Amino acid sequence: QKEVEQDPGPLSVPEGAIVSLNCTYSNSAFQYFMWYRQYSRKGPELLMYTYSSGNKEDGRFTAQVDKSSKYISLFIRDSQPSDSATYLCAMSFGTASKLTFGTGTRLQVTL
Amino acid sequence: DADVTQTPRNRITKTGKRIMLECSQTKGHDRMYWYRQDPGLGLRLIYYSFDVKDINKGEISDGYSVSRQAQAKFSLSLESAIPNQTALYFCATSDGGWSTEAFFGQGTRLTVV
Repeated sequence: QKEVEQDPGPLSVPEGAIVSLNCTYSNSAFQYFMWYRQYSRKGPELLMYTYSSGNKEDGRFTAQVDKSSKYISLFIRDSQPSDSATYLCAMSFGTASKLTFGTGTRLQVTL
Repeated sequence: DADVTQTPRNRITKTGKRIMLECSQTKGHDRMYWYRQDPGLGLRLIYYSFDVKDINKGEISDGYSVSRQAQAKFSLSLESAIPNQTALYFCATSDGGWSTEAFFGQGTRLTVV
């Protein structure tokens, strides 16, 4: 079993929809949680970063961490075609430990 | 110019050949990393370096070697390429702990035939 599981998709939604992207993990020691966005033929870029449990909002994006369920989510409101990309979750035990990435979910937002 | 530059962007090489992938950065970061990305497997860490004199193996270092020529340069070598090393390779940098933001290059698509 992988430490971090992520549905690879692809996920196709119409413009304006609310998108929910999720990762589950097995190690309860993970403390730092990140979402990276990767456009086609580009490197990943950090989108959201949260520490421990709770929600964090940035514009149309909300990151949510539920440590009791070992489940993290990224919500995208009013999705746009420019949001079409692969979204990778990543997590670590602490500032001194390596990042473990999910496999990424490919999202396509259609007109 | 990109903050993290990888060369070449694409490369096709034959089995058994030695190949070097190069990475340079203008971020001034001490920490540099090499990852490979495969469909269904996500990003996996090959090697990492916290400063010029520090080199560490990641989870999949077999068949690879690295050289940190300067703070800004970190190269990855495949001593004798094999087909299952066909993948997308990324160099990344960060200025702090593992949980701080990593800045990735554009990637090198390597095909071993």
